[in-house]
Amino acid sequence: AQSVTQLGSHVSVSEGALVLLRCNYSSSVPPYLFWYVQYPNQGLQLLLKYTTGATLVKGINGFEAEFKKSETSFHLTKPSAHMSDAAEYFCAVSAREYGNKLVFGAGTILRVKS
Amino acid sequence: KAGVTQTPRYLIKTRGQQVTLSCSPISGHRSVSWYQQTPGQGLQFLFEYFSETQRNKGNFPGRFSGRQFSNSRSEMNVSTLELGDSALYLCASSMGQGSYEQYFGPGTRLTVT
Repeated sequence: AQSVTQLGSHVSVSEGALVLLRCNYSSSVPPYLFWYVQYPNQGLQLLLKYTTGATLVKGINGFEAEFKKSETSFHLTKPSAHMSDAAEYFCAVSAREYGNKLVFGAGTILRVKS
Repeated sequence: KAGVTQTPRYLIKTRGQQVTLSCSPISGHRSVSWYQQTPGQGLQFLFEYFSETQRNKGNFPGRFSGRQFSNSRSEMNVSTLELGDSALYLCASSMGQGSYEQYFGPGTRLTVT
């Protein structure tokens, strides 16, 4: 079985500040991990993914995430927040054994203050 | 390449009716997955189709069904609609399974009254 926990349903940062969105997962098999972003009235857009190999993954729009197996974490960071980053972010897990089934966290709404 | 398209974008139905939602994947993608998004339950996996075969199914009642055509387009059907079926239904397409990226469409917003 797999599950995802996102700490903090709402995160607020100032423009230019560090963005840190937390994600912890549980998986009985080697996981694939994803971060998606959702803007209002839109679908999900893939930010980045980890499957195998390098544990520090760089994505679009300046975001990156680090897979830490010992901590079962996959936190999303961005050095400097921009107003356009305000959206809802979802962490998701899957595995080869589960095909394309994504198990999502509850989501974190990011607010960026000017 | 065109992205994933879903039709219709908005739908209002009455309890007890049935509804069919359509999804056209990215050209060349053979896998289509469906998800339900609600404020209370979040994003939940419904099912996945690959080459016209259902490969994986989530924990939803039999009122929820789907199919995939030879051109990889997929439809999802919900029969005997309930108020709780009001949700955003998202379709995602992928070239394959597992480590492949899944690309989501804009969703169909279903409201059941």
